[in-house]
Amino acid sequence: DSGVTQTPKHLITATGQRVTLRCSPRSGDLSVYWYQQSLDQGLQFLIQYYNGEERAKGNILERFSAQQFPDLHSELNLSSLELGDSALYFCASSPWDGDSGANVLTFGAGSRLTVL
Amino acid sequence: DAKTTQPNSMESNEEEPVHLPCNHSTISGTDYIHWYRQLPSQGPEYVIHGLTSNVNNRMASLAIAEDRKSSTLILHRATLRDAAVYYCILLYGGATNKLIFGTGTLLAVQP
Repeated sequence: DSGVTQTPKHLITATGQRVTLRCSPRSGDLSVYWYQQSLDQGLQFLIQYYNGEERAKGNILERFSAQQFPDLHSELNLSSLELGDSALYFCASSPWDGDSGANVLTFGAGSRLTVL
Repeated sequence: DAKTTQPNSMESNEEEPVHLPCNHSTISGTDYIHWYRQLPSQGPEYVIHGLTSNVNNRMASLAIAEDRKSSTLILHRATLRDAAVYYCILLYGGATNKLIFGTGTLLAVQP
């Protein structure tokens, strides 16, 4: 157990639907990162939050949005789902805001999304 | 972002040392060298990181070339549980830095 908790572990839904993935960071960590892993794209960075504020953005689609709440948990919202959104979604956390090259991330076990 | 080059795959025998190479010829002075691994059906896991000097921890050792243009992750005695994809990543200190994963090296460990 890495200390980063992601729910749900598995999710099956239909095209056009909307889902929310949840992440609780490791105790004491203020930064949360979201990654997408699909078979053909590998691990792709989506977005980072630090203490409730967006810090860095990667290849996140406009249909996707995220936020970090005052209790530091984060949610990734995926809407108007397409078949290609089927992937593993990983959350990671770290204690810092990411401005150090020594920043180490702890990853959760992931949420597997299947869009039919 | 500075890039890294790793072999696509490597094989090792159980209980033997494994040396996983990584080339990063465009590394800058402030880039840290990080290694993560991803076991099958799991999230990535931090292994080790360093800046200039060689580093050791309970999982592995990191040997960094003097010119920092390459590095080697050393697993001293491979076990079946070490079979994973190993990622070598450069991370600089900056407000927007982020871990960018490449394709990594798939390590197979034979009993």
